[in-house]
Amino acid sequence: GAGVSQTPSNKVTEKGKYVELRCDPISGHTALYWYRQSLGQGPEFLIYFQGTGAADDSGLPNDRFFAVRPEGSVSTLKIQRTERGDSAVYLCASSSTSGAPMNTEAFFGQGTRLTVV
Amino acid sequence: QKEVEQNSGPLSVPEGAIASLNCTYSDRGSQSFFWYRQYSGKSPELIMFIYSNGDKEDGRFTAQLNKASQYVSLLIRDSQPSDSATYLCAVVRNTDKLIFGTGTRLQVFP
Repeated sequence: GAGVSQTPSNKVTEKGKYVELRCDPISGHTALYWYRQSLGQGPEFLIYFQGTGAADDSGLPNDRFFAVRPEGSVSTLKIQRTERGDSAVYLCASSSTSGAPMNTEAFFGQGTRLTVV
Repeated sequence: QKEVEQNSGPLSVPEGAIASLNCTYSDRGSQSFFWYRQYSGKSPELIMFIYSNGDKEDGRFTAQLNKASQYVSLLIRDSQPSDSATYLCAVVRNTDKLIFGTGTRLQVFP
């Protein structure tokens, strides 16, 4: 596609439910990032994929959070047993660069606003 | 200590003035540095990146990097009301992880 696409744009769920957030990166981009952004804060790193593998998942807050990218393109962020504190905007970004250092642009999707009630 | 630190602001400057946004980082292994702009309710968009010490200019924007002081800044010349946004500093270490600061809110008043 022309840009990074995230679905749904908004998601309201009840505490304790399971949710999946989808990210469709720019075609050909090997690097894919998930971030979480709360109001008034910068994007908080969650996980980074290079191809199909999670190169760094150190930002996932706990084992309720999991992300996959099985074919090296679309990625799904999965949150189990959602809590009210999980409410935030979840941002996905993709980049064409592989290897360090990254010196090209990471393009962001419009985000999924998750509200846990 | 946060990996990337920014003053949250708001930084208020009059139209036409120079806005100076600052960022410090803790990891000396950081290799690439980025400035993103984020309008309210929108996603971040890249303004500039820099990875060599010194200045890099692009139109009204100048990024400055001092690795010895672990300091990166963004200057916006001839500030316009349309520049009013949150400016996010981000750094990349050798693991390719892009880490953001909390952002500085800039207000340019007519």
